[in-house]
Amino acid sequence: KQEVTQIPAALSVPEGENLVLNCSFTDSAIYNLQWFRQDPGKGLTSLLLIQSSQREQTSGRLNASLDKSSGRSTLYIAASQPGDSATYLCAVKETSGSRLTFGEGTQLTVNP
Amino acid sequence: DAMVIQNPRYQVTQFGKPVTLSCSQTLNHNVMYWYQQKSSQAPKLLFHYYDKDFNNEADTPDNFQSRRPNTSFCFLDIRSPGLGDAAMYLCATSLRNAGGVLRGTQYFGPGTRLTVL
Repeated sequence: KQEVTQIPAALSVPEGENLVLNCSFTDSAIYNLQWFRQDPGKGLTSLLLIQSSQREQTSGRLNASLDKSSGRSTLYIAASQPGDSATYLCAVKETSGSRLTFGEGTQLTVNP
Repeated sequence: DAMVIQNPRYQVTQFGKPVTLSCSQTLNHNVMYWYQQKSSQAPKLLFHYYDKDFNNEADTPDNFQSRRPNTSFCFLDIRSPGLGDAAMYLCATSLRNAGGVLRGTQYFGPGTRLTVL
């Protein structure tokens, strides 16, 4: 059974810092991996999707990498801003079917 | 804008009183999902529909049922809510092609927060 772990569970940084969020998964037979953002009391917003054949994806100040063989992904946020404060979840999709398996998220606080 | 809509955003019910949460989508996606998310936990998949094909997760309690009368709408029925069912309920959609491959990401609605008194 696929398990997804995110470290750290919470992170607090001053504005302007670059930071890395980590995600690991136990079964490397994945179809893709996604990073989502969740604001308090809200739904999930997809940030980046990396197919299993890709190594990284970039969107603005966000860069996500994937090392499928080692079961790891990182989300790099450059020049963090207070508006980046949210919970970041990673999720992996199996090679068949429609199911995503989520990690429990990293709660990020960026202090002005 | 095309989107996933959930109503109501906040629902209060009494212990044991049936409640229905609704989800609609304008994306014309053929897969719809219901997740339960408790505070500081990962979203937990309850079930999903691929077109009219219903897929229940093995550990989803019998207390939870779902209906998908057409492509656009999906309902979550909680027959006898208990205090442990208080959570955020998230609806999501995605598109699978004819070969059964999921294309792109899942699109989530804003969620319905359920309180059980």
